[in-house]
Amino acid sequence: GENVEQHPSTLSVQEGDSAVIKCTYSDSASNYFPWYKQELGKGPQLIIDIRSNVGEKKDQRIAVTLNKTAKHFSLHITETQPEDSAVYFCAASKYNFNKFYFGSGTKLNVKP
Amino acid sequence: DTAVSQTPKYLVTQMGNDKSIKCEQNLGHDTMYWYKQDSKKFLKIMFSYNNKELIINETVPNRFSPKSPDKAHLNLHINSLELGDSAVYFCASSQGQGGSPLHFGNGTRLTVT
Repeated sequence: GENVEQHPSTLSVQEGDSAVIKCTYSDSASNYFPWYKQELGKGPQLIIDIRSNVGEKKDQRIAVTLNKTAKHFSLHITETQPEDSAVYFCAASKYNFNKFYFGSGTKLNVKP
Repeated sequence: DTAVSQTPKYLVTQMGNDKSIKCEQNLGHDTMYWYKQDSKKFLKIMFSYNNKELIINETVPNRFSPKSPDKAHLNLHINSLELGDSAVYFCASSQGQGGSPLHFGNGTRLTVT
């Protein structure tokens, strides 16, 4: 089965700096990679996703890059704000399969 | 309107009791899931239903039994609760095809004393 590893487990940045979270996956057949943000007391919320036919996707201050050859994908948050503080999860899945494999999470702390 | 709603939000009970968690989605999705999040925040899939049919059943004790009366509802019943069952349980739904994301509820924090 798929194994998704996520680093770092905690990340502390100053407001306005950039934050990068990295994930690797083991199954080369995985082709869908969503990222989730979980705030305290809430369920994970989708913030951005990328499919394997695309190398990069951007949505305002958030971007995701995918390297299929190396089997890794990264989340980039620019101009961080205190409200970006949360736990972030990466995940991997395959089309026509209903199973998502999650990374272990990164706790991001943005200091004002 | 809440897309995926689960009740109760908090559940405190004693070892040996039986409890249920309910979940409903109004997104029209075909697939629903139960995930368990432990104290280290790790998300682990337990079950998945597609149109009321069980399609994923991970290595979960028989004490856990999901039930899907229709494709908008997926309930979780737990018998003979144990201390190790304490966790946050998340219900989720998705279209279940072609790279569709999961939509999570806000979780049920189960504490077994």
